[in-house]
Amino acid sequence: QKEVEQNSGPLSVPEGAIASLNCTYSDRGSQSFFWYRQYSGKSPELIMFIYSNGDKEDGRFTAQLNKASQYVSLLIRDSQPSDSATYLCAIRGGADGLTFGKGTHLIIQP
Amino acid sequence: GAVVSQHPSWVICKSGTSVKIECRSLDFQATTMFWYRQFPKQSLMLMATSNEGSKATYEQGVEKDKFLINHASLTLSTLTVTSAHPEDSSFYICSASERVSSYEQYFGPGTRLTVT
Repeated sequence: QKEVEQNSGPLSVPEGAIASLNCTYSDRGSQSFFWYRQYSGKSPELIMFIYSNGDKEDGRFTAQLNKASQYVSLLIRDSQPSDSATYLCAIRGGADGLTFGKGTHLIIQP
Repeated sequence: GAVVSQHPSWVICKSGTSVKIECRSLDFQATTMFWYRQFPKQSLMLMATSNEGSKATYEQGVEKDKFLINHASLTLSTLTVTSAHPEDSSFYICSASERVSSYEQYFGPGTRLTVT
């Protein structure tokens, strides 16, 4: 059984600061790792995916993967109020569907 | 590009009736489509995976006779909730992959189902 664990929050971060979101997973066979953002009542939108150990940067977002520790993180720099949402970590093995965590509710305080 | 649509966006039906939800890839051919369900304040749970022209593969605990999935073409998959009950009320979201090896799934906007 694949499991993805996230702290549900809420995580409150001042505007302009760095938000750090963490995720652990149980299946060592997982091949790709995703971060989605979901606003209330909407479907998730992809922020980043990563499949190699290390860091991957895209604009204000950096994903970090450590397969040995089964750990994925997402850093959001210069946090904006519009970043307030639920952030879902998801894993995928091959062509399988995604296994999602329960999400972390992020609040950016103006 | 990579747009997925769902229809309807919301639907209310009476207990015991059936409702069909459509998922379409608008500008690409979807080799594989996935159906997820999300209950309030819960995460998305994969229900089934469908490949064009093949029978859907259901996740453990999902009743295949209740949730009928048809993937008749490379741009259309349908989910039919048969004999709906109030506990089936949920947010149903489809996603599509362009290639089997593709990392990315493109999500539709979701369908809110309320069974009264």
